This record gives sequence, structure tokens and C-alpha cells, in this order.
Amino acid sequence: DQQVKQNSPSLSVQEGRISILNCDYTNSMFDYFLWYKKYPAEGPTFLISISSIKDKNEDGRFTVFLNKSAKHLSLHIVPSQPGDSAVYFCAASVGSGSEKLVFGKGTKLTVNP
Amino acid sequence: NAGVTQTPKFRVLKTGQSMTLLCAQDMNHEYMYWYRQDPGMGLRLIHYSVGEGTTAKGEVPDGYNVSRLKKQNFLLGLESAAPSQTSVYFCASSAITGDSYEQYFGPGTRLTVT
Repeated sequence: DQQVKQNSPSLSVQEGRISILNCDYTNSMFDYFLWYKKYPAEGPTFLISISSIKDKNEDGRFTVFLNKSAKHLSLHIVPSQPGDSAVYFCAASVGSGSEKLVFGKGTKLTVNP
Repeated sequence: NAGVTQTPKFRVLKTGQSMTLLCAQDMNHEYMYWYRQDPGMGLRLIHYSVGEGTTAKGEVPDGYNVSRLKKQNFLLGLESAAPSQTSVYFCASSAITGDSYEQYFGPGTRLTVT
């Protein structure tokens, strides 16, 4: 049972345009959501997060939106840059005290110059 | 401040051999985790630790053992390696903050079992 789903394995956008990466979840107990970026041969790096009590969090070019009723979140990157090309993982936590994260399978973003 | 480091970076094992992967963090984090990443599968939690001397099973613990004898180190052991354990292994750590669940990841260990 996949609790965090990223249904698009890949996404290609033009430099300067908006990139929208989507994530759906099934567990209504999740109360914290994170996005990680991963370059080849490197470990994932934290990008941005959002608590379930909010519906939007912004950090520079990156904005995460949360729709709790739809159990859906999205990451917007504006404007997209070639250096943003990476695999993006959505993750969620129940906050049970162990801070365990459940990850989606990832979406490979390619930003074309 | 090196963050999270992992040794070795690469390893090739024959079926049935054993090995230990070492993870070290210098951020004084309480929590540490071991994940494996396989193509198209995302990151799956193997084992984790909520403090020195503690360990717990994650989503895919079979075939692995762990130990957390020191707060800064988290060891992942394979007693009898199998080809199904060919994967990239990531260690991560996080602090107890109450309002942040950010985990910091190491660079990974690429393991091939033949």
C-alpha cells in the first residue's frame, strides 16, 4: 500500500517557465510534508516543507501548496532553471515521535535551456 | 562540520558474504535512519534509531541488522548478502525539534551483490 504517491515519473519544462510537481497521499494522519531534491550520485537534500495546519509555504522560487481535503500537495518552481534538473521526492510524516518519513517514488524534472 | 558521512562509498560482495556500512553524523542528532533506494521505488526505510542504544524496524528490515552504540554512529550490517540487496543505501539523521521533521542525508553507499 503506497501511502505517498508521485504519479508522474518525469516532467520536462523550458527554462524560465513554471514547474509543477504533484504528490498525493492516502494517510489522513500525516501532519507534515517535505520535498527533497536529489542529484545523481548524491544524497537527497531538503528543499521545503509544510505543516498540515498551513496551506502554503514559500521560499524564494519554491512554493508548496497543501490541499488537505484532496490529500494533495504540489511544489511550484518559478522560474525554473537548468540547475533545478533533479529527482524530486515528496515525503510525509505522522509525527509519532520517531520522525519517520514516508517517501514517494520521485519525479525526475528536466529543465531545458 | 561534515554533516552525515557514509563509508564505504562503493562495495561489491559475493552472495553469502557479510559487511557493515558505517554512518557518522556530527550534528548531535538524536534520530538516525537507514534507507535503501532502488530504481522506481523511492526511498524505503530499513531501520531507525531514536537515540543511543535504541533501534527499531522500518518498512524493509529483513536481512539487515543495526546497532547504535554511540550517538554519532549508526551501523548497518548484512550478515549473508543476497543479490536482492543490491541497492544504494542512504543514512540520514534528524534532531528533535517538535516542529521540524527535516532529515539530513549522507552521500550514499552503492552496494552490488553478485
